[in-house]
Amino acid sequence: EVQLLESGGGLVQPGGSLRLSCAASGFTFSSYAMSWVRQAPGKGLEWVSAISGSGGSTYYADSVKGRFTISRDNSKNTLYLQMNSLRAEDTAVYYCAKSGPYSSGPDDAFDIWGQGTMVTVSS
Amino acid sequence: QSVLTQPPSVSGAPGQRVTISCTGSSSNIGAGYDVHWYQQLPGTAPKLLIYGNSNRPSGVPDRFSGSKSGTSASLAITGLQAEDEADYYCQSYDSSLSGRVFGTGTKVTVL
Repeated sequence: EVQLLESGGGLVQPGGSLRLSCAASGFTFSSYAMSWVRQAPGKGLEWVSAISGSGGSTYYADSVKGRFTISRDNSKNTLYLQMNSLRAEDTAVYYCAKSGPYSSGPDDAFDIWGQGTMVTVSS
Repeated sequence: QSVLTQPPSVSGAPGQRVTISCTGSSSNIGAGYDVHWYQQLPGTAPKLLIYGNSNRPSGVPDRFSGSKSGTSASLAITGLQAEDEADYYCQSYDSSLSGRVFGTGTKVTVL
């Protein structure tokens, strides 16, 4: 079964750091780009960051550029999101999502999603 | 603010047809980038509903269909069912932002 399982969320103070993980199973992890997508409480979806299958290319939304770092360990089938200088507006459920096999371009669809992990930034 | 605009809500009676629009611009949908649609049931993760403008992944009922024209895309749900009550999001890529973008989201209510 294809599955993504996020972990690492929690409560952190403004200015603090947190590292999210996403364990993948059931597919050839290194063959697919992966993304992080977040959803603030009661709000819509916001794409945060993406990384190519090899890990050689990374992309960020302007709202997190310079503060968040996406990475992956293909030997461990795991995706990461290092979040630094956290702000209250980063409070959200963070989902990891797999790019589908339908295209290899930047307009790829997300065919598999994890269950999400909650990040709360508050003093 | 999202660059893809959707109506906040649409509603319909069971069995009816509803459509959700996704309006973009020349830097995203109008530039030829694919549009995808997701369904998010309350308290759950989004689920891919339509990919590549009009294609359904395996297991998605053919009551759901997608289309794209110019700088807009649409999702249609025919034969509306109670289980279709959810939030729906479109998604594409924006070359000006150099990133993936989601629509503002539409809540579908079955009357």
